[in-house]
Amino acid sequence: GAGVSQSPRYKVAKRGQDVALRCDPISGHVSLFWYQQALGQGPEFLTYFQNEAQLDKSGLPSDRFFAERPEGSVSTLKIQRTQQEDSAVYLCASSLNDAGDLPLHFGNGTRLTVT
Amino acid sequence: DAKTTQPPSMDCAEGRAANLPCNHSTISGNEYVYWYRQIHSQGPQYIIHGLKNNETNEMASLIITEDRKSSTLILPHATLRDTAVYYCIVRAFNTDKLIFGTGTRLQVFP
Repeated sequence: GAGVSQSPRYKVAKRGQDVALRCDPISGHVSLFWYQQALGQGPEFLTYFQNEAQLDKSGLPSDRFFAERPEGSVSTLKIQRTQQEDSAVYLCASSLNDAGDLPLHFGNGTRLTVT
Repeated sequence: DAKTTQPPSMDCAEGRAANLPCNHSTISGNEYVYWYRQIHSQGPQYIIHGLKNNETNEMASLIITEDRKSSTLILPHATLRDTAVYYCIVRAFNTDKLIFGTGTRLQVFP
């Protein structure tokens, strides 16, 4: 079946604007993750959902970042009042469940540029 | 999660085996070793994972030392398309997230 789909692929925002990034996980996958990847760095964990429950948001850098997954499928990462330091690739990943022996499947990300 | 140590970069000739090392000396008994790679402008791609035993799939082989403190990812016949950043990650059985390091940038040359 289809993999993890993210949209838009690219987003340019002016500083101070709000943005919303969408993730469509693999059908039936219970676990969903958001990561942030700065240029030249490895992905950094932001938040994790199991179905609609947000179980870990320890990686969200500030209260301007908000994620939701209301029906346990599609997820949206929202960034309010964007700043230049928010420029990065935002990656979404899903997994069949939260067992440690099951791999995460990543989308190709949304590249956010804040000008 | 235990931290991993990888060389920042490696080169490999096309058609030869690429052997990518990873040290994870503080790994716990319930932690898996995962390998992902990331090709430019794409998301990380799962390659292989293992707990104790060596593993092989259509992409690669994973060799884990008996004390589990290090591992090697082997790409048996590297191609130009294998040029990527390779991440070695340890992940506990009952945890939720992967924690990435900075990985090894593998350059395959003709």
